[in-house]
Amino acid sequence: KNEVEQSPQNLTAQEGEFITINCSYSVGISALHWLQQHPGGGIVSLFMLSSGKKKHGRLIATINIQEKHSSLHITASHPRDSAVYICAVRSGAGGGADGLTFGKGTHLIIQP
Amino acid sequence: NAGVTQTPKFRVLKTGQSMTLLCAQDMNHEYMYWYRQDPGMGLRLIHYSVGEGTTAKGEVPDGYNVSRLKKQNFLLGLESAAPSQTSVYFCASSYDRQTLRFFGQGTRLTVV
Repeated sequence: KNEVEQSPQNLTAQEGEFITINCSYSVGISALHWLQQHPGGGIVSLFMLSSGKKKHGRLIATINIQEKHSSLHITASHPRDSAVYICAVRSGAGGGADGLTFGKGTHLIIQP
Repeated sequence: NAGVTQTPKFRVLKTGQSMTLLCAQDMNHEYMYWYRQDPGMGLRLIHYSVGEGTTAKGEVPDGYNVSRLKKQNFLLGLESAAPSQTSVYFCASSYDRQTLRFFGQGTRLTVV
């Protein structure tokens, strides 16, 4: 079974700081998802990537397939970025019945 | 542009009671999923469906039943609720197994 580890578990930063959240997995994958969950709210899919880098606004996701590692970066962080960020990996074997294994999430707080 | 809608958003049940959670999507997606989210754990798949009239078990199916009578709706039933089913439930849909998931806002269920 694919093990998905996120770090840090909790992160508090000041507005404007550059944020990095990491995701490591144990078995080769076909794709990796980054999700965002606001307090008390629903879950939004941010990115799905299988190689290289994707950018959307102030959010950047990168993946290194050889090192089995992905990072989510937030530039010029803002209090509205405060949320739980979840990594999920899709692998051919060992994942859930839908092929996804989810990390436990990184709880990010951006203070004004 | 509703996306994925879950009802109800909150519910308190007594042990042994039954209830049905409704998930509706307006994106004509074939795949629909029910997950549960518990503190300190990643999202876990309960059941999923790959099209109208089909259902399949996920990682934690015991105590739950599902039905997909119409393509746009995916129902999750608890026949005899137990305190261990206290959780936040998320429905999601996708075009296929390989693509982005679209999530609902979640249903917070407490069983006392």
